[in-house]
Amino acid sequence: GAGVSQSPRYKVTKRGQDVALRCDPISGHVSLYWYRQALGQGPEFLTYFNYEAQQDKSGLPNDRFSAERPEGSISTLTIQRTEQRDSAMYRCASSRPGRSETQYFGPGTRLLVL
Amino acid sequence: DQQVKQNSPSLSVQEGRISILNCDYTNSMFDYFLWYKKYPAEGPTFLISISSIKDKNEDGRFTVFLNKSAKHLSLHIVPSQPGDSAVYFCAASRMDSNYQLIWGAGTKLIIKP
Repeated sequence: GAGVSQSPRYKVTKRGQDVALRCDPISGHVSLYWYRQALGQGPEFLTYFNYEAQQDKSGLPNDRFSAERPEGSISTLTIQRTEQRDSAMYRCASSRPGRSETQYFGPGTRLLVL
Repeated sequence: DQQVKQNSPSLSVQEGRISILNCDYTNSMFDYFLWYKKYPAEGPTFLISISSIKDKNEDGRFTVFLNKSAKHLSLHIVPSQPGDSAVYFCAASRMDSNYQLIWGAGTKLIIKP
């Protein structure tokens, strides 16, 4: 596709529910990153995939958060038993082979946990 | 500990003049620096970058300067145009951390007509 796409763009859920956020990277991009951004701050790293391999998940805040990229393209970030503190903008980025230093971002998913 | 800092939450510049956005960092191990531009309701858009082995990179109206001894980088936009009004984020990364981006909090640039 022309750019990174994310869905849904907005998600409102009740505390305790599970949510799945999807990222569709730019075609041919092998590296994929998830970030979380609180209001008034820059994004914070969550996890990184190279192809289908999750090579770094050090930024995931706790075990309620997980991510997968089974076929090395689309990725899903799942938050189980959501809490109000999970409310944030979740951003996905991808980068070209051999050019991981430059990441291209999607529009983000705004998650609101009530 | 905030490794990348943008100390100016906002900046107002007259159209046609130079805009200078500043960024400071604390980790001398960073080897790549980027500037992103963000409009409301959109994702960050890559603008320009610089490797730590360089001190200047220019792309049209945009120039990034890196002062490693001062751990400081700046983005110059000249001449400033109304479409430049946006939030600008500075970010840094290390190759040995898979280039995960460490971000500043952003500076809102307002270009006055």
